[in-house]
Amino acid sequence: DTAVSQTPKYLVTQMGNDKSIKCEQNLGHDTMYWYKQDSKKFLKIMFSYNNKELIINETVPNRFSPKSPDKAHLNLHINSLELGDSAVYFCASSPKTLQLRAYNEQFFGPGTRLTVL
Amino acid sequence: AQTVTQSQPEMSVQEAETVTLSCTYDTSESDYYLFWYKQPPSRQMILVIRQEAYKQQNATENRFSVNFQKAAKSFSLKISDSQLGDAAMYFCAYRIHQGGSEKLVFGKGTKLTVNP
Repeated sequence: DTAVSQTPKYLVTQMGNDKSIKCEQNLGHDTMYWYKQDSKKFLKIMFSYNNKELIINETVPNRFSPKSPDKAHLNLHINSLELGDSAVYFCASSPKTLQLRAYNEQFFGPGTRLTVL
Repeated sequence: AQTVTQSQPEMSVQEAETVTLSCTYDTSESDYYLFWYKQPPSRQMILVIRQEAYKQQNATENRFSVNFQKAAKSFSLKISDSQLGDAAMYFCAYRIHQGGSEKLVFGKGTKLTVNP
């Protein structure tokens, strides 16, 4: 049983195109995230959603638009793709953290490698 | 701003020996969590170990242990009896609460090679 799944695993596209990456979690978690891992392997958060509500937006260009149709899904749509968007995109999910000392593990999906030509 | 620094871009170890990966971080908070994640060539992110800042005892998970020095803001990972399957990128991460959610801030990673 896959806890956090992403489709597609690989995506190759031309500059200027619009593409989407889908993410689904079957863990019943309230919070979902998108992280970007660049060509130097640096991982950085892009967005977090809590029960379909956007909570964190880390100064990501507005060409990137996350959509959460329900709390089990968080899709990432990217308009007008640029060469610099080539990266691995990870979706993750966790239960909602209500207290500072509470621990909730973030479960990561397998990643989607996006290549923009 | 919270930052996480891994000063060793690459490390290597002989099979069955011990290796220590370094991590330092910057924060003004007193309660927080620190993590080590492993990313093998399959690119799956795997949680190796976590440490609660309010606990003085260093966390251990089988062959993996940490040396957590809160005052020095240091969080190193020790891998004992290294195995070929330990070869991977290792990321140190710090958890930040933000606006009712939380995020992980990662270091730039250390690539660990295990030599047979």
